[in-house]
Amino acid sequence: EAQVTQNPRYLITVTGKKLTVTCSQNMNHEYMSWYRQDPGLGLRQIYYSMNVEVTDKGDVPEGYKVSRKEKRNFPLILESPSPNQTSLYFCASRTIWLGAYNSPLHFGNGTRLTVT
Amino acid sequence: DQQVKQNSPSLSVQEGRISILNCDYTNSMFDYFLWYKKYPAEGPTFLISISSIKDKNEDGRFTVFLNKSAKHLSLHIVPSQPGDSAVYFCAASSTPSNTGNQFYFGTGTSLTVIP
Repeated sequence: EAQVTQNPRYLITVTGKKLTVTCSQNMNHEYMSWYRQDPGLGLRQIYYSMNVEVTDKGDVPEGYKVSRKEKRNFPLILESPSPNQTSLYFCASRTIWLGAYNSPLHFGNGTRLTVT
Repeated sequence: DQQVKQNSPSLSVQEGRISILNCDYTNSMFDYFLWYKKYPAEGPTFLISISSIKDKNEDGRFTVFLNKSAKHLSLHIVPSQPGDSAVYFCAASSTPSNTGNQFYFGTGTSLTVIP
């Protein structure tokens, strides 16, 4: 089954304790991205990657890191989490090859992070 | 500043009637528009899209209309069913999409279909 898998689904941590949220897709998509969803603000892009070793900032990158060492994986790293990073996080992927001129994003089921 | 806006946080409709969800955008460079549906505890799932070369796209009970001059799109669901109760997000992007341009999302409209 084609899917984007995020782990963990729920995470409670304390301020300053480094954490990683994993994301993996099995659709051979070039493009992967992280979003956060907050009440009244919709989905906002944190970082994206167009292919292996190619990453770039989205609208709200502060406090986050990403890496893309393999095509299928795109982990989100919070080096020193703070309470304002409490949010619902979604990983997404899509193909961007020519011929798939406009293709939709496929989302994972989300990770609810609470930082106390 | 929010480039994609959904001004109605919620909408209630009777089963069998039409649901109309609205979305406005500010960036005239946007030319690819999508609607996503989201159930609680799940990620958004793609519903339907439209390119700016069209003004209408249908898929079963779902139709998206695009009015470029008004920078407005709408999603019509006919007939509405209780299983359609979810949060609906509209999103927009500008070409070339194969360069990884961002998708900008609205804040969502929570649709409740009353049996």
